[in-house]
Amino acid sequence: NAGVMQNPRHLVRRRGQEARLRCSPMKGHSHVYWYRQLPEEGLKFMVYLQKENIIDESGMPKERFSAEFPKEGPSILRIQQVVRGDSAAYFCASSSGQIYGYTFGSGTRLTVV
Amino acid sequence: GENVEQHPSTLSVQEGDSAVIKCTYSDSASNYFPWYKQELGKGPQLIIDIRSNVGEKKDQRIAVTLNKTAKHFSLHITETQPEDSAVYFCAAREGNNDMRFGAGTRLTVKP
Repeated sequence: NAGVMQNPRHLVRRRGQEARLRCSPMKGHSHVYWYRQLPEEGLKFMVYLQKENIIDESGMPKERFSAEFPKEGPSILRIQQVVRGDSAAYFCASSSGQIYGYTFGSGTRLTVV
Repeated sequence: GENVEQHPSTLSVQEGDSAVIKCTYSDSASNYFPWYKQELGKGPQLIIDIRSNVGEKKDQRIAVTLNKTAKHFSLHITETQPEDSAVYFCAAREGNNDMRFGAGTRLTVKP
């Protein structure tokens, strides 16, 4: 069981480019959650997805950010036209939905230059 | 929605002493309360959790207590060691809803 896999671990983008962050949940988990963490700060909820459905996106900015979790393949968090303020660590977690705990990935550290 | 507050934001203890971190939550329907440890450059790792039908849970040097009436729960680490130094997050969740986290506590254990 490889756990929650996130890639890339580090991503550098110039302002205006697009960032695509990938998350493969643990085997058997169909619920995916994305969190953002700024340096020296806590985990801020962004979006909760199940296969092919967005369940709760109340924490995600309305513009430039989108997320998907297709029937096949990893969940993708997409940030269009990145700005310096998007620089942060983005963590993905998964759960089975019937077990309360989350398992987190190691995160993607996005740096916008 | 759920709102979780965590105190203190930083905590420094001497090796061997105990450390206590406290959290309060707002949604009385929350029924699951995990604690996560995050080391530098890594993702949060679950260290202990408690469900609302239990008042206390212990795992070696780590214990968590829950007061549902007051809507607060605490993490207790006894006989602290330098490797306990990390950022600790509490969280609260109701059913299958998404988890809400506290702001974190940076624990430093001085040798």
